[in-house]
Amino acid sequence: GAGVSQSPSNKVTEKGKDVELRCDPISGHTALYWYRQSLGQGLEFLIYFQGNSAPDKSGLPSDRFSAERTGGSVSTLTIQRTQQEDSAVYLCASSFGQGQPQHFGDGTRLSIL
Amino acid sequence: GNSVTQMEGPVTLSEEAFLTINCTYTATGYPSLFWYVQYPGEGLQLLLKATKADDKGSNKGFEATYRKETTSFHLEKGSVQVSDSAVYFCALRKDSSYKLIFGSGTRLLVRP
Repeated sequence: GAGVSQSPSNKVTEKGKDVELRCDPISGHTALYWYRQSLGQGLEFLIYFQGNSAPDKSGLPSDRFSAERTGGSVSTLTIQRTQQEDSAVYLCASSFGQGQPQHFGDGTRLSIL
Repeated sequence: GNSVTQMEGPVTLSEEAFLTINCTYTATGYPSLFWYVQYPGEGLQLLLKATKADDKGSNKGFEATYRKETTSFHLEKGSVQVSDSAVYFCALRKDSSYKLIFGSGTRLLVRP
């Protein structure tokens, strides 16, 4: 499709397990962003990629969180040893470049039991 | 620091009523301002934007004017429809930045 694609759309896992969330940006978009939407915290910035580099990881909440991007396209957000407070909707966005409008995917709803 | 404050919801209106959702911001310099909409079960969609003072963004009957003197970017629509029921987010992006800073969101419910 033409939009940002995220998978899975829903993920339920047990506390302590690792999870991987995938984002496929719009073709040609060099910039990619991860945000988290949770009750009580609203929408928070997590990390920004320009190409395959992540110049700003300041929003990652702990060292259990990591992200990578390969081929200037698909990105994976990994959460290790999940905790219940990681439950949230994880949103990915992409744009033609820094400063251009960000287009969002439908998100991955993550539930930690 | 930079921040966005939105009116708390939910806002409940009857169809064809006039809508205003207030948004004010705190930022240095000249940020760009945005309204995003999130329909149930979907991701965020850019509704409209304004990049400099006195700009008016508009889309789908919604409007918002960048008011630097009052640091506001209120969202308005003259006649809402049931299909406008959604959560609306006001956001800013600082000059030469990439990070969107969002307000807490305002849920709109339009009844037939």
